[in-house]
Amino acid sequence: NAGVMQNPRHLVRRRGQEARLRCSPMKGHSHVYWYRQLPEEGLKFMVYLQKENIIDESGMPKERFSAEFPKEGPSILRIQQVVRGDSAAYFCASSPRTGGDTGELFFGEGSRLTVL
Amino acid sequence: QQQVKQSPQSLIVQKGGISIINCAYENTAFDYFPWYQQFPGKGPALLIAIRPDVSEKKEGRFTISFNKSAKQFSLHIMDSQPGDSATYFCAARGAGSYQLTFGKGTKLSVIP
Repeated sequence: NAGVMQNPRHLVRRRGQEARLRCSPMKGHSHVYWYRQLPEEGLKFMVYLQKENIIDESGMPKERFSAEFPKEGPSILRIQQVVRGDSAAYFCASSPRTGGDTGELFFGEGSRLTVL
Repeated sequence: QQQVKQSPQSLIVQKGGISIINCAYENTAFDYFPWYQQFPGKGPALLIAIRPDVSEKKEGRFTISFNKSAKQFSLHIMDSQPGDSATYFCAARGAGSYQLTFGKGTKLSVIP
């Protein structure tokens, strides 16, 4: 049973370019969350999505960042016109339901973005 | 505003010793407190979690102690092993919520 799959694992972009990060949740999971981890920091919530719906994007910067989780295919976190401050590890997590008994999140191995 | 404060930032423990990591929270609406373990280059993995209706939960060598009145909780790793060397994050989540608020992490090194 494959876990949460993220790609690419590493991405290098120059300032002003676009970054697209993909996440396939665990089989049977319909809830996807994106977290960002800066060096020496904990993970910070960005956005929560269900299929075709953005439930909460309160942690995502208003500009340049967008996320989607289409009916078919992986969830995508898109960063337009990247800046050096966007350099971070971006983790996707999935769960079969929100909250619930344990609300356990299953994390992928992350996508590490470096902006030159 | 940091809602979950974690200490120490780093910890070195000898093999066989006890590792203790502490967290304090501010939001009294939190009702779920997990600990995550993260190895270099990997994603966080749930280690153990507790709800505030119990004061202690033990799973193998890992124990969470919870003090609701002090708004503090801690992770104890008994008989620490070199394979436990990783970064540990405490987290908290409010009732009915889905957002986890993480501490900044503790880098644990267990030396032989």
